[in-house]
Amino acid sequence: QVQLKESGPGLVQPSQTLSLTCTVAGFSLTSYNVHWVRQPPGKGLEWMGVIWNTGGTRYNSALKSRLSISKDTSKSQVFLKMNSLQTEDTATYYCARDLTHWGQGVMVTVSS
Amino acid sequence: DIQMTQSPSSLPASLGDRVTITCRASQDIGNYLRWFQQKPGKSPRLMIYGATNLANGVPSRFSGSRSGSDYSLTINSLESEDMAIYYCLQHNEYPRTFGGGTKLELK
Repeated sequence: QVQLKESGPGLVQPSQTLSLTCTVAGFSLTSYNVHWVRQPPGKGLEWMGVIWNTGGTRYNSALKSRLSISKDTSKSQVFLKMNSLQTEDTATYYCARDLTHWGQGVMVTVSS
Repeated sequence: DIQMTQSPSSLPASLGDRVTITCRASQDIGNYLRWFQQKPGKSPRLMIYGATNLANGVPSRFSGSRSGSDYSLTINSLESEDMAIYYCLQHNEYPRTFGGGTKLELK
């Protein structure tokens, strides 16, 4: 059974770095791509980036300078790091396998 | 970037109605179009893939179609559990882009 679960801090201070982990089960990261998508409160979905099964990455150009996605295949974990956070980065962050199977999401608030 | 223009943004409807939501792609995306349903506090659920194919476990009252660059999601005989926000997604090119969403609500 395919499962993804995001984890990370619920609160981040402005200008700090966000670190999130997506722990997967039921499939191998060497066979599937994992995407990150975020959703500000009451707003729509924004694609952030992807790490391919090969380990290559692709990012939304609007976030590219701040965003990094990596993975540890042996631990079945995908990592998102985004720096210089601002209040506009307050959102629920989702990881998703091939944008078909989604995690439950983790809410991140950027506030001092 | 490919723009996905979704309409309407809000759709009041009654139980039993037939409703249609549309996304227009700014460039050719072939059939690389998915539809998602999202309920409050939940993650998006895949409803339609390949523009016209029903995802596993999705009721048959849902259907997807394509006419040129216009992609539609139709729900026949609306049920209360269908009240949600629906999003389209193009996955033909990077960056992946979503439509702005359609909130389906009871009239």
